Amino acid sequence: GIQVEQSPPDLILQEGANSTLRCNFSDSVNNLQWFHQNPWGQLINLFYIPSGTKQNGRLSATTVATERYSLLYISSSQTTDSGVYFCAVESSGSARQLTFGSGTQLTVLP
Amino acid sequence: EAGVTQSPTHLIKTRGQQATLRCSPISGHTSVYWYQQALGLGLQFLLWYDEGEERNRGNFPPRFSGRQFPNYSSELNVNALELEDSALYLCASSLTRDTEAFFGQGTRLTVV
Repeated sequence: GIQVEQSPPDLILQEGANSTLRCNFSDSVNNLQWFHQNPWGQLINLFYIPSGTKQNGRLSATTVATERYSLLYISSSQTTDSGVYFCAVESSGSARQLTFGSGTQLTVLP
Repeated sequence: EAGVTQSPTHLIKTRGQQATLRCSPISGHTSVYWYQQALGLGLQFLLWYDEGEERNRGNFPPRFSGRQFPNYSSELNVNALELEDSALYLCASSLTRDTEAFFGQGTRLTVV
């Protein structure tokens, strides 16, 4: 099956700093989503981005499908950005099965 | 508009018992997905239901089963519970023609 690798596994920042999270995947995809898991476990949708670039406030994401990677940018980080960020992909022919990366644990210090 | 809702929030069961978890999708969504997030194993796909039918199944034993009702809500049943079934179970929904999934808050199952 498709392999999804996220980097870095852990990231510690000072409030106000910028960061880039990376997601590499091993096959072509129909779907790519970025999530933020809150402390209670819920996955919050950040982006649905199988290709191209999107922006939402301080967050933006870019997926280069031909090179099989996606990037999540967080600018002017806040303590509320802390948590685990997951990339999830659905490969072509996998019938709606999302394969998740192992996540990036982000800690933003005040 | 209400998001995906799951019940109960927490569930404690004894090894060998059965657990039933429930999920209500976003209004208008006809596809429901179940995922397991166990400590050390990450998020793993369990099941996909659409229009009342099981459409895809992950690599889990048959004691994990479920169903989708005519109103598109869903149940996940786990029989003969084992200690390693302790996990956060997440439900998601989407439109049939769309692949973007939206997740609920999860049910934390503890098997003792």
